[in-house]
Amino acid sequence: AQTVTQSQPEMSVQEAETVTLSCTYDTSENNYYLFWYKQPPSRQMILVIRQEAYKQQNATENRFSVNFQKAAKSFSLKISDSQLGDTAMYFCAFAKIPLVFGKGTRLSVIA
Amino acid sequence: KAGVTQTPRYLIKTRGQQVTLSCSPISGHRSVSWYQQTPGQGLQFLFEYFSETQRNKGNFPGRFSGRQFSNSRSEMNVSTLELGDSALYLCASSLVERADNEQFFGPGTRLTVL
Repeated sequence: AQTVTQSQPEMSVQEAETVTLSCTYDTSENNYYLFWYKQPPSRQMILVIRQEAYKQQNATENRFSVNFQKAAKSFSLKISDSQLGDTAMYFCAFAKIPLVFGKGTRLSVIA
Repeated sequence: KAGVTQTPRYLIKTRGQQVTLSCSPISGHRSVSWYQQTPGQGLQFLFEYFSETQRNKGNFPGRFSGRQFSNSRSEMNVSTLELGDSALYLCASSLVERADNEQFFGPGTRLTVL
């Protein structure tokens, strides 16, 4: 069975700064997908970025990028130029049905 | 395309009552999953339905049940409500043909049990 661990329950960052959220996982599978989901205070969970384990290149979506280390089973999310709208819970997830979620990191962006 | 919709958005019930929550997936999505979200336990999987059949089930008591209709809409039912059932219930739909199993979430139903 897969497990996902997010070791930072809460983090804060100044507006315009960069922050990195950590995630580690465990699996015996060789090819898989990993997700970062964002859940703003309004509650709708949305996908921020995905990474296919088969691809060595780290995924990037605008200000969001990942550092994917397959051998270390690490999948961190970097948010550059943080904005107030980035304030949310962030969940790392192993992509199966059902999704296997970490406990989440509450990120606060401070003006 | 309309997103995943859930009704009602808020519910207040008392212990011992039962409740039914509804979820309409994105058009064309035949898989619907339900999750319970609480501050203490995080996101916990309840069950997943595909083509009106329950394919996966989480570790919840039999008081939690669900079903899916031929139009892929899904309902979940909780009977004999307990205080601990207070939570945000999230529904998610997906296209089973996708290799990455991306799930699209609804806004949730906030259930408060008094």
